[in-house]
Amino acid sequence: AQTVTQSQPEMSVQEAETVTLSCTYDTSESDYYLFWYKQPPSRQMILVIRQEAYKQQNATENRFSVNFQKAAKSFSLKISDSQLGDAAMYFCAYRSKQGGSEKLVFGKGTKLTVNP
Amino acid sequence: EAGVVQSPRYKIIEKKQPVAFWCNPISGHNTLYWYRQNLGQGPELLIRYENEEAVDDSQLPKDRFSAERLKGVDSTLKIQPAELGDSAVYLCASSLRGPGHEKLFFGSGTQLSVL
Repeated sequence: AQTVTQSQPEMSVQEAETVTLSCTYDTSESDYYLFWYKQPPSRQMILVIRQEAYKQQNATENRFSVNFQKAAKSFSLKISDSQLGDAAMYFCAYRSKQGGSEKLVFGKGTKLTVNP
Repeated sequence: EAGVVQSPRYKIIEKKQPVAFWCNPISGHNTLYWYRQNLGQGPELLIRYENEEAVDDSQLPKDRFSAERLKGVDSTLKIQPAELGDSAVYLCASSLRGPGHEKLFFGSGTQLSVL
């Protein structure tokens, strides 16, 4: 079974600075999806960024980018120019591409605080 | 476009009482998920539906939990009887099926407190 590990329960960053959230995962599959979801106090999970494992190029969405290291099974999220609205729980998630396994497996999350 | 709608938003019950949660997925989404999120943890899948068929319910505690998705649209998750350890946030999500539709859309969840 796939597992996702987020080793940083909490992180903090100054407004306008850059922060990196770590994620590692374990799988025997060669192709899969990886995601970062944001969960504000409203509880709704919001997709931040996604990566397909076969794509070597790291995904980027505005101020959010990932560092995908497939061999190391590492998938970190970098938030540039941090804003107060970025404060939330961030979850790393894995999704298999195999038919019948279309569920997201989540890590335990990292609580991000943005200081003004 | 309306998102995934869940109700109620909060529910407080005493142990051994029954409770039900309702989910209305995004129109046209044939895959529906129920996740449970314990405090300080990531969500864990309880059950996944493809249309009206439950295709992955291996993590659903079947002695007390039940779910249904009539006509492949709305879904209800029920707990009877509830236990203290069932206190959690119950999240519903939906998606389309097939390549290019890997994104799940989540509702705001139901926060259950069992006293």
